[in-house]
Amino acid sequence: EAGVAQSPRYKIIEKRQSVAFWCNPISGHATLYWYQQILGQGPKLLIQFQNNGVVDDSQLPKDRFSAERLKGVDSTLKIQPAKLEDSAVYLCASSLRVWGAGGTDTQYFGPGTRLTVL
Amino acid sequence: AQKVTQAQTEISVVEKEDVTLDCVYETRDTTYYLFWYKQPPSGELVFLIRRNSFDEQNEISGRYSWNFQKSTSSFNFTITASQVVDSAVYFCALSEATRGYQKVTFGTGTKLQVIP
Repeated sequence: EAGVAQSPRYKIIEKRQSVAFWCNPISGHATLYWYQQILGQGPKLLIQFQNNGVVDDSQLPKDRFSAERLKGVDSTLKIQPAKLEDSAVYLCASSLRVWGAGGTDTQYFGPGTRLTVL
Repeated sequence: AQKVTQAQTEISVVEKEDVTLDCVYETRDTTYYLFWYKQPPSGELVFLIRRNSFDEQNEISGRYSWNFQKSTSSFNFTITASQVVDSAVYFCALSEATRGYQKVTFGTGTKLQVIP
């Protein structure tokens, strides 16, 4: 079974430029997550989709970050304009089911995109 | 609010030694889940184990074992007879699912270096 795919693996941009990341989850997985992992820290959730709807974007800097999940499959995360503090690894994860209260599901992660903002 | 604390930032051990990685969590929920993930130098987070709050049985998988104690809010991870391939950053995570979706919080990670 293919894992979570992400591209590009590496990206270097100047501050104030725009950048987009792509994620293809494991086939059939209903829930998709984008995390930001700054060097030396744990992953921080940016946004969570269940199918193609957003269920949690409370930590997404909405003035510069946006994300969409078309047709409940692939997803893109965009930063516009980028700041120096956006330098991080952006991780995409997916999990199989949509859970109601009291449930949970294991997340499977992609290899990440390492973003460097100069 | 949920919180995960991994007080050990870095640990170095000599190959074949046993090592325990600590994880302490905070949550107000009675139903929650705990995870351990491994992040090797390649960067991809690899799932190791998931436990729910109602199952305090310890678990062993090969050289790996996990000790879950609700009384101390801890979910510690032990590697027996460590190997160089165990060198990685290990993350503990807590999931609550009382809002209609799961919300996962990761600790800051423990970097394990196994010296040959």
